[in-house]
Amino acid sequence: GENVEQHPSTLSVQEGDSAVIKCTYSDSASNYFPWYKQELGKRPQLIIDIRSNVGEKKDQRIAVTLNKTAKHFSLHITETQPEDSAVYFCAATSMDSSASKIIFGSGTRLSIRP
Amino acid sequence: DVKVTQSSRYLVKRTGEKVFLECVQDMDHENMFWYRQDPGLGLRLIYFSYDVKMKEKGDIPEGYSVSREKKERFSLILESASTNQTSMYLCASSASGTAEKLFFGSGTQLSVL
Repeated sequence: GENVEQHPSTLSVQEGDSAVIKCTYSDSASNYFPWYKQELGKRPQLIIDIRSNVGEKKDQRIAVTLNKTAKHFSLHITETQPEDSAVYFCAATSMDSSASKIIFGSGTRLSIRP
Repeated sequence: DVKVTQSSRYLVKRTGEKVFLECVQDMDHENMFWYRQDPGLGLRLIYFSYDVKMKEKGDIPEGYSVSREKKERFSLILESASTNQTSMYLCASSASGTAEKLFFGSGTQLSVL
């Protein structure tokens, strides 16, 4: 089955700097890679996703890159702000099966220092 | 807005008790999932369902079972609760038969004493 590894487990950056979170996956059939953000005491929410036919996707200050050959994908947050402080989860899934499941990484706690 | 509702926010049970965690979604989603969240371990998939009366094991199904008698409701059952099942339980739903955006409930913090 799919296994997703996520690094680092904690990350502290100065406000305004960039943050990068990296994930690797094991199943070469996986072709959908979402990122979820969970603020303290709240439920996880999708912030960006990428499908395997695309190498990069951007949404304002957030970008995700995918390297299918190496089986890794990354989340990039530029010009970090205090509201970016949260736990971020990467995930991987196969879209071809009616029984596809979404497997998450272990999470990265991002702290933005003022 | 999609609403995924979990019946209890906090629950305290005794070892050996049978525990039911209920989840209801209001968007006619085909897929429903149960995850548990533990510090440092992320979100681990317990069971999921892609149709009424259908269920599939996730990565950590031991000690759990599920029921999906109606499309909108997905129940997680702990047959005999143990202390190592103390955790935050998150229900989620998504549309169609393929992986799409997950909508999460607010979670149930279960403590087994």
